[in-house]
Amino acid sequence: ELKVEQNPLFLSMQEGKNYTIYCNYSTTSDRLYWYRQDPGKSLESLFVLLSNGAVKQEGRLMASLDTKARLSTLHITAAVHDLSATYFCAVDYGNQFYFGTGTSLTVIP
Amino acid sequence: DTGVSQDPRHKITKRGQNVTFRCDPISEHNRLYWYRQTLGQGPEFLTYFQNEAQLEKSRLLSDRFSAERPKGSFSTLEIQRTEQGDSAMYLCASSPPGGGLYGYTFGSGTRLTVV
Repeated sequence: ELKVEQNPLFLSMQEGKNYTIYCNYSTTSDRLYWYRQDPGKSLESLFVLLSNGAVKQEGRLMASLDTKARLSTLHITAAVHDLSATYFCAVDYGNQFYFGTGTSLTVIP
Repeated sequence: DTGVSQDPRHKITKRGQNVTFRCDPISEHNRLYWYRQTLGQGPEFLTYFQNEAQLEKSRLLSDRFSAERPKGSFSTLEIQRTEQGDSAMYLCASSPPGGGLYGYTFGSGTRLTVV
């Protein structure tokens, strides 16, 4: 079974700082997705990465995909409090998504 | 179109009772998925429909669980003889033909509490 691991699981960072969340997966796939989830809410799509070397940016978030290393990163630049949420990566394999365990991000003023 | 709709938003039931959840996908999406999410975990796949055909089921979907998608439109997920371990958020998602090219659109979920 495909395994998706994220690290760190918990991240507390000060406003204005930069940090990277890592997503490793265990089998070949060239489709990876990042979602955001606020407490008690559903999942909001952030990025769709469909090929090796894909890089997408939206505001203070940038995602990249290295299919050879089976690694995706979500980079946060100059964090602000509004980015506090749980972030999930998901790998498309077969007819389903396999989700990581999530990274709970808290941005401290 | 207002996205993927799920009903109810919350359901509290006594152990042993049956519950049914409904999902209305985005109208032009032919693919529909059910996921379950427990506290502190990522969503786990339950089942997948393409139009009205149920094409895949997870081993998590025990014989107490059944899902339908009559006429390829809305879907229902029924849990019979609920157990406390069934307490979770049940998420429905849909995607258009070509699925993975666009990712999924998730509904707001149904939070089930079994007491």
